[in-house]
Order: sequence, then structure tokens, then C-alpha cells
Amino acid sequence: AQSVTQLDSQVPVFEEAPVELRCNYSSSVSVYLFWYVQYPNQGLQLLLKYLSGSTLVKGINGFEAEFNKSQTSFHLRKPSVHISDTAEYFCALKAAGNKLTFGGGTRVLVKP
Amino acid sequence: EAEVAQSPRYKITEKSQAVAFWCDPISGHATLYWYRQILGQGPELLVQFQDESVVDDSQLPKDRFSAERLKGVDSTLKIQPAELGDSAMYLCASSRIRGGTSETQYFGPGTRLLVL
Repeated sequence: AQSVTQLDSQVPVFEEAPVELRCNYSSSVSVYLFWYVQYPNQGLQLLLKYLSGSTLVKGINGFEAEFNKSQTSFHLRKPSVHISDTAEYFCALKAAGNKLTFGGGTRVLVKP
Repeated sequence: EAEVAQSPRYKITEKSQAVAFWCDPISGHATLYWYRQILGQGPELLVQFQDESVVDDSQLPKDRFSAERLKGVDSTLKIQPAELGDSAMYLCASSRIRGGTSETQYFGPGTRLLVL
């Protein structure tokens, strides 16, 4: 069985400050990892994905994530957030032959 | 840029009524997914199609939910009868490659259902 745990349900952050969203996963086989963003009343948009190779993955809108196999983590970071980054962020994983499994989400609220 | 289309965007219905949601995936995408997202949670897969065939409907409550993709293009998800607990966002997604584990899923805007 595979699972994803997002350790923070809400993260308030001031504009232009850095943010880190934590994601831990559990799987007995190799996985692919994803971060999606969901703006209010919209569908999910892919921010970035880790398939193989470099453990530091860069995505859209200035986000990056680091895959750490020993710690089974895939934390998302942005060095300086904007008001427009206010949204819900979902970590997800997929293993061969299995469905895409999502974490519970982290709601980011950027304050001016 | 091609997008996944869904309609309606919002639906309010009374319990025991029937509701239907429609999804048109990105052109050429072989795989289509329906997810249910309860408020405050991540999406959960209801059903996955490969062309017109169902490949995973293990989480679909088959006593009241049905899904079809007759010509392997657009798809309809139906609930009959609707129950209060069905209130959620219903998301459709599609991906290009058949059975591709690493293939990105592209999501539509969703249909928000409220059952009264």
C-alpha cells in the first residue's frame, strides 16, 4: 500500500517570505512524486514532478522540491511568495500499476 | 493551450434526485479519470478509463454511481439517487499515454455538487 502525508494543514506566511510545505510518503516500491496547486473553485494544476535523476526539481512559478529517498520526503519550497500563491497544495505519488494517491493538502495563506 | 472541459461547474440538487456530469478530455488523450474531492481533502479516484474501457472502478459506489465513455472520447458520470454525503467536487482528468505511470494528469475545473 502507498500513502502520502502532508504534515501541515495550513501555512500562513507573509508576502516575500520563504515557504516550505512538507510531504512524506510511504511505499514499498519506487514511486514518482508530484506537487499540484489548486486555486479556489478550480481544478488542479501541476507544479512539478520527480521521475528520476536529480533530486532537486524545479517547477513553475518559482517553486522547487527536493526528493529525499532516505527520509521518504518530497518537500516543496519557494524562496519568496506572492499574494497570488494563496492556494491549496497537494503532494501525490504514483507507483507502477497503481493509481495517483494524494495527500490531504496544505492550505497556504499569503498575508500582505 | 488545450484543456479538460467539464460541465456544469456547479450543481445543486435534492437528495434522491439523479445528477450527471460531463467531461471532455484533451484531444488525443487515451486515459480519462474521475475523482471525488471532499472539502478539505485530497482527490480520490472513482474510475479510470483507457479509451472506452474501464480499467479501475474499485472505489466507485456502483449501487448509485455509473460512468461511461462510449466512444473513447468524452465521458459522463451519473449519480442516482444522490445522497447528502455525495456533496463534493467532482474532478475529471486525462493523460496522454496508455498506462504510462509517469504520465502527467491534466485536470479540468471540476463540478461542485451540493445535495440538499
